[in-house]
Amino acid sequence: DQQVKQNSPSLSVQEGRISILNCDYTNSMFDYFLWYKKYPAEGPTFLISISSIKDKNEDGRFTVFLNKSAKHLSLHIVPSQPGDSAVYFCAASGIHNFNKFYFGSGTKLNVKP
Amino acid sequence: DARVTQTPRHKVTEMGQEVTMRCQPILGHNTVFWYRQTMMQGLELLAYFRNRAPLDDSGMPKDRFSAEMPDATLATLKIQPSEPRDSAVYFCASGLAAGQLQETQYFGPGTRLLVL
Repeated sequence: DQQVKQNSPSLSVQEGRISILNCDYTNSMFDYFLWYKKYPAEGPTFLISISSIKDKNEDGRFTVFLNKSAKHLSLHIVPSQPGDSAVYFCAASGIHNFNKFYFGSGTKLNVKP
Repeated sequence: DARVTQTPRHKVTEMGQEVTMRCQPILGHNTVFWYRQTMMQGLELLAYFRNRAPLDDSGMPKDRFSAEMPDATLATLKIQPSEPRDSAVYFCASGLAAGQLQETQYFGPGTRLLVL
């Protein structure tokens, strides 16, 4: 029973345009959300996070939006660059077990030059 | 440059053999996590430790998998006996938890396991 879902296995975007990656969750107890980026043959690396007390967090070209009522978060990358091509995982944790991160199945982003 | 290290990076073995994967967490981190990545399930949490004590191994098949932390610098994940369905990439991650706050997790490069 996946509590964090990424329904788009892949996304293709032109360089310079916006990439929007989506993530849905089912557990209303989740209060901390993260995005990880993974290149082939490497482990995932932390990208950006957001606490449930906020609805937006920005770091350079990366912005995460949180819609608690819809149990939905999204990652926006503007402008997209070919080096952004990777698999992106969203993850969530909650006050009931703050150590435990629940990961989605990942979205493979391809940014075309 | 502190990193999580994992050995071996690749392992090919035959069904029924024992497999041991090792992880060295980042010095000073007090939480260690084992994940498995498969095509169908994405990243699944198998087990995690805090201050070397196992806190949750509910994601791990108990009959064949075991996870331990002999000391603060070493975590191991063992599969005995291994089966073809165990073929996956196994990631170790470490982090720093203080009170009710869990900082982000830092992942190792993974062990790619193939069981024939």
